[in-house]
Amino acid sequence: LAKTTQPPSMEAYEGQEVNVSCSHTNIATSEYIYWYRQVPHQGPQFIIQGYKDYVVNEVASLFISADRKLSTLSLPWVSLRDAAVYYCIVTLNAGAKLTFGGGTRLTVRP
Amino acid sequence: EAAVTQSPRSKVAVTGGKVTLSCHQTNNHDYMYWYRQDTGHGLRLIHYSYVADSTEKGDIPDGYKASRPSQENFSLILELASLSQTAVYFCASSDGTGGGTQYFGPGTRLLVL
Repeated sequence: LAKTTQPPSMEAYEGQEVNVSCSHTNIATSEYIYWYRQVPHQGPQFIIQGYKDYVVNEVASLFISADRKLSTLSLPWVSLRDAAVYYCIVTLNAGAKLTFGGGTRLTVRP
Repeated sequence: EAAVTQSPRSKVAVTGGKVTLSCHQTNNHDYMYWYRQDTGHGLRLIHYSYVADSTEKGDIPDGYKASRPSQENFSLILELASLSQTAVYFCASSDGTGGGTQYFGPGTRLLVL
């Protein structure tokens, strides 16, 4: 399964747009890209998934490069509640197991 | 949204004792998972199950057993708890067809003394 690389930490101010990058250079054609976030003392929460191009939902958008080796999670208008660790995970679709790396710790300042 | 509950929410156990962590989901999901998280690290998969009465080893199964008596319930058993098993344990479920979309419980904080 593909391994992912993310920046360990990021900082932003409330109201800013935040873009979290993830490199997955060995992604297989059968693998999908998932993003989760985890706030302290809670379990991870699914944010968004994608295979290629651009995906958007009510929470975030996900851009995937044409070669699928890089993805970027975009969070519009972050608030203090968006402070969390964001995990990029690459895995098979059906019956997937998740492998969590270190994630990106997002700090949001007022 | 999927509902996954865990019990107990926290537990203190003695070294060498038996610990059972329970997980219950109410969404008819076929897949259930147990992960552990050590402070400052990501989650690691211990055991998982895709059907009742069957369990599979994850990435770090040593020292743990799992039991899936029904579709709704999935237990993690530490027969001989050790200090190194102090961690937060998360249960998750998914419908399988949703791939990597898993729904996590609130976690159980286990302290082994």
